[in-house]
Amino acid sequence: NAGVMQNPRHLVRRRGQEARLRCSPMKGHSHVYWYRQLPEEGLKFMVYLQKENIIDESGMPKERFSAEFPKEGPSILRIQQVVRGDSAAYFCASSRATAHTGELFFGEGSRLTVL
Amino acid sequence: DAKTTQPNSMESNEEEPVHLPCNHSTISGTDYIHWYRQLPSQGPEYVIHGLTSNVNNRMASLAIAEDRKSSTLILHRATLRDAAVYYCIRGGYSGAGSYQLTFGKGTKLSVIP
Repeated sequence: NAGVMQNPRHLVRRRGQEARLRCSPMKGHSHVYWYRQLPEEGLKFMVYLQKENIIDESGMPKERFSAEFPKEGPSILRIQQVVRGDSAAYFCASSRATAHTGELFFGEGSRLTVL
Repeated sequence: DAKTTQPNSMESNEEEPVHLPCNHSTISGTDYIHWYRQLPSQGPEYVIHGLTSNVNNRMASLAIAEDRKSSTLILHRATLRDAAVYYCIRGGYSGAGSYQLTFGKGTKLSVIP
């Protein structure tokens, strides 16, 4: 059973470009979470999705950031018009149940560098 | 707001037990305590979680104080592969009403051969 797959692992963008980060959850998992980690910091929750629905986006900036988890295909975190402050590692996690009592399985992250 | 307090760093000798403390004095009755660890350049890895009773699994033990205001993660025999940042997380409900894990800065554990 493959783990959570994220791609690309590394992404370089210039200011103003768009970044698309993909996350394929583990088989059988319908809950997906996106976190952002700045250097030397802990992970910050961004958004929580279930298939085709955004459940909680309270941690995601209101502008330029969006997320989706379509019926078919991976979850995508999209950052429009990137700025240097968006440089970070973005982690996706999936679970079979909610985070309350279940284990979250994390991918290895996508590291975005904005020049 | 990470809602937990952990030492920034700790050291342990290889093959010795390690006790990683965590304070969560404002915990509510339905919040679980979760522990994850993160190796360099990797995503976090689940270690253990619990509510009130002490918990054991193949990786570690979790001792939760009777008043639930603190807990201790116990690695019974540290190996070099246990060197990582350990996050003690008090789960809670976000403003949007879903249960979420809020990571702090964690404790960086170094294991000395």
